Amino acid sequence: NAGVTQTPKFQVLKTGQSMTLQCAQDMNHNSMYWYRQDPGMGLRLIYYSASEGTTDKGEVPNGYNVSRLNKREFSLRLESAAPSQTSVYFCASSVRTEQETQYFGPGTRLLVL
Amino acid sequence: QKEVEQDPGPLSVPEGAIVSLNCTYSNSAFQYFMWYRQYSRKGPELLMYTYSSGNKEDGRFTAQVDKSSKYISLFIRDSQPSDSATYLCAMSAIWTPLVFGKGTRLSVIA
Repeated sequence: NAGVTQTPKFQVLKTGQSMTLQCAQDMNHNSMYWYRQDPGMGLRLIYYSASEGTTDKGEVPNGYNVSRLNKREFSLRLESAAPSQTSVYFCASSVRTEQETQYFGPGTRLLVL
Repeated sequence: QKEVEQDPGPLSVPEGAIVSLNCTYSNSAFQYFMWYRQYSRKGPELLMYTYSSGNKEDGRFTAQVDKSSKYISLFIRDSQPSDSATYLCAMSAIWTPLVFGKGTRLSVIA
């Protein structure tokens, strides 16, 4: 049982390049989330998917797109990377009960030059 | 005003001290309160969960929620160097995503 896995662990991009961050969970959770974490800013929600087939914007969705590929996988795409998107990105999942307890992946460190 | 306010620290204490970490919030609809612990270069992991007001104890950790004051606390007794991490409070209303505090960085010095 791997929990939440993310790939890649680290990536360097040039401004304007695109990339997709991958996330998968094996806990049969219904809901999945993408966050970014910046120094002094805490965890900020980018997008989330309450259940397979649905996605919703979070606090900071601009410049990102998401795809809930199936119940297990939730990807985050940067179409045209900008230096302001340099951050650590975390994927999380939850059962989608009233508790909303989330389980996090190990993170992807992204540097945009 | 941010929905959730948390003092970022850093907080440095000697081994064995009692640590108090706090968050305040403004949304009276919040009912679910959590504390996550995040070690350097790792993802956050759930430490404590509390529903509505009251206390919850788990070993050296105690979580308190005071909904009337919109204030939550995490106490760590007999702190250890292994407790050195960033602690994030998080809370939500029914069927809404979690809202996180910015985290407090704690260092426990041996």
